[in-house]
Amino acid sequence: DAKTTQPNSMESNEEEPVHLPCNHSTISGTDYIHWYRQLPSQGPEYVIHGLTSNVNNRMASLAIAEDRKSSTLILHRATLRDAAVYYCIPGYAGGTSYGKLTFGQGTILTVHP
Amino acid sequence: GAVVSQHPSWVICKSGTSVKIECRSLDFQATTMFWYRQFPKQSLMLMATSNEGSKATYEQGVEKDKFLINHASLTLSTLTVTSAHPEDSSFYICSASQYGYTFGSGTRLTVV
Repeated sequence: DAKTTQPNSMESNEEEPVHLPCNHSTISGTDYIHWYRQLPSQGPEYVIHGLTSNVNNRMASLAIAEDRKSSTLILHRATLRDAAVYYCIPGYAGGTSYGKLTFGQGTILTVHP
Repeated sequence: GAVVSQHPSWVICKSGTSVKIECRSLDFQATTMFWYRQFPKQSLMLMATSNEGSKATYEQGVEKDKFLINHASLTLSTLTVTSAHPEDSSFYICSASQYGYTFGSGTRLTVV
């Protein structure tokens, strides 16, 4: 499994953008980069995933480095509801065949009003 | 979107008894399901991977005879914690995959 390195914690103010970095230097060529977030006492929630190109959805944007050894999750305008633990997870996602996801320690995001 | 229902959301049981946790994919068929355990202030730890109709694959250090996993259909997987002890108290989370990973809301198990 590819190992990831994320900051233990980050802070932001409401309405401001947040950039959550992740290093995954040992990622394999076929692994996607998945981002999930988890609120206390809840299961993880899908945020976004990508392979090589930058990706956007209604929740966030994912910027992937050209060498794929790092990526950044971008929350364009943080809200209090975005306060959570964010996990960056390399994992295969081909067709209907999904391998296991191995969670690292993640980044605790605190959003200040 | 894909929904995974996990039941019960919390359970308290006496030491030595068994507890069953259900994980259902409500609007899709899940060829593979995963079971995780999460202790306070820690990350999710994968316990096992189950594929419909076959035996589960357990991660190293997870006792297969203690944590029984059954994936009898494409929409249901169960985790049974047998002869539970206080150290088994944890937050158990399932995940189902078909076109992506969808997680259940978790089950808080407390063994007294």
